[in-house]
Amino acid sequence: GAVVSQHPSWVICKSGTSVKIECRSLDFQATTMFWYRQFPKQSLMLMATSNEGSKATYEQGVEKDKFLINHASLTLSTLTVTSAHPEDSSFYICSARRLASYNEQFFGPGTRLTVL
Amino acid sequence: GEDVEQSLFLSVREGDSSVINCTYTDSSSTYLYWYKQEPGAGLQLLTYIFSNMDMKQDQRLTVLLNKKDKHLSLRIADTQTGDSAIYFCAESPAYNTDKLIFGTGTRLQVFP
Repeated sequence: GAVVSQHPSWVICKSGTSVKIECRSLDFQATTMFWYRQFPKQSLMLMATSNEGSKATYEQGVEKDKFLINHASLTLSTLTVTSAHPEDSSFYICSARRLASYNEQFFGPGTRLTVL
Repeated sequence: GEDVEQSLFLSVREGDSSVINCTYTDSSSTYLYWYKQEPGAGLQLLTYIFSNMDMKQDQRLTVLLNKKDKHLSLRIADTQTGDSAIYFCAESPAYNTDKLIFGTGTRLQVFP
């Protein structure tokens, strides 16, 4: 149990377009979902924390208008990269915390975004 | 500030023990974690230790925590080729236990 999926697994887009990435908890309800960004050979950096039904909390330095997060249900959160540019190219990973879990996060497989 | 450091690479022979080290700066860390990342798969939680513990053992995995030196290690006994992956340590600060601050990851390569 505790499987998290992401869609798409990879995406290539043109500069200036917007890209939506979905994160789903398949077999559990997640009150809280997290979005991370991972650069090559670097650690995961937390971008934002998303609670179902409320606005996401963004980490310092992350532009909320650039990275729109929606957490409309207990099993789905979306990250939209708006007006993407080549510097937004990265590996985006989501995680979900199960209801009544102490604080264990279950991670999705990640989405590789390449902006041309 | 919060900073978590790891060595980038470790190579071991199959059957030997592997020791992956991690240092952190936040003395208020509550939980410390070890995650495994394999290609195409999500990070998998291997084990965690609460900050008031010194050691935790789980089958082939042994976690040692030296809180004074802010040093965490993961020992994998009888390392197998299937253990080849990137290993991340992470800590949760006391001010927000939801938050995970990750190290840079250590790539473990196991050769026959």
